[in-house]
Amino acid sequence: QKEVEQDPGPLSVPEGAIVSLNCTYSNSAFQYFMWYRQYSRKGPELLMYTYSSGNKEDGRFTAQVDKSSKYISLFIRDSQPSDSATYLCAMTSNTNAGKSTFGDGTTLTVKP
Amino acid sequence: EAGVVQSPRYKIIEKKQPVAFWCNPISGHNTLYWYRQNLGQGPELLIRYENEEAVDDSQLPKDRFSAERLKGVDSTLKIQPAELGDSAVYLCASSSSVDTQYFGPGTRLTVL
Repeated sequence: QKEVEQDPGPLSVPEGAIVSLNCTYSNSAFQYFMWYRQYSRKGPELLMYTYSSGNKEDGRFTAQVDKSSKYISLFIRDSQPSDSATYLCAMTSNTNAGKSTFGDGTTLTVKP
Repeated sequence: EAGVVQSPRYKIIEKKQPVAFWCNPISGHNTLYWYRQNLGQGPELLIRYENEEAVDDSQLPKDRFSAERLKGVDSTLKIQPAELGDSAVYLCASSSSVDTQYFGPGTRLTVL
């Protein structure tokens, strides 16, 4: 079993929809939680990161971390066609700082 | 500010041939990572450098893969000899903090 499991998708939504992307993990030592966006034939780009539990909001994006359930989410409000990409969650522990474990990604398509 | 630069962007070789990838990190970033990303999966760490020192190479297949980071700046990843299963995207990333990695566009390797 992988340390990080991500809802595989693919996900297709109409423009303006609210999107929920999710990951679960098994390593309770994870403290840093990141979401990356990866467009086709590009490298991943950091969208948001959260330290420990809680919520973080940045424009249309909200990241949530529930450490008690080992569950993280990324919400996208008012989704746009330009949001169409693969979204990767990633996690890092303090004890192995610098080594991020990635999920396998969820591919999102936002249709105009 | 220039991002992480990788070359070549694409490489097609026959099995048993050698291949090398080059990475120039963001200026001032002491930490450099090499990842391998298979189709439909998240990046997997191959090796991490802190300046010139390889601090985590536990996932690097040392029988055929080698890497170096001379002078703590540019880095080269080599495969010799390449196998069919090495076909993947090889990503380089750099960072100055544990929670933020900046990725290059990757080198897409096809082994025939």
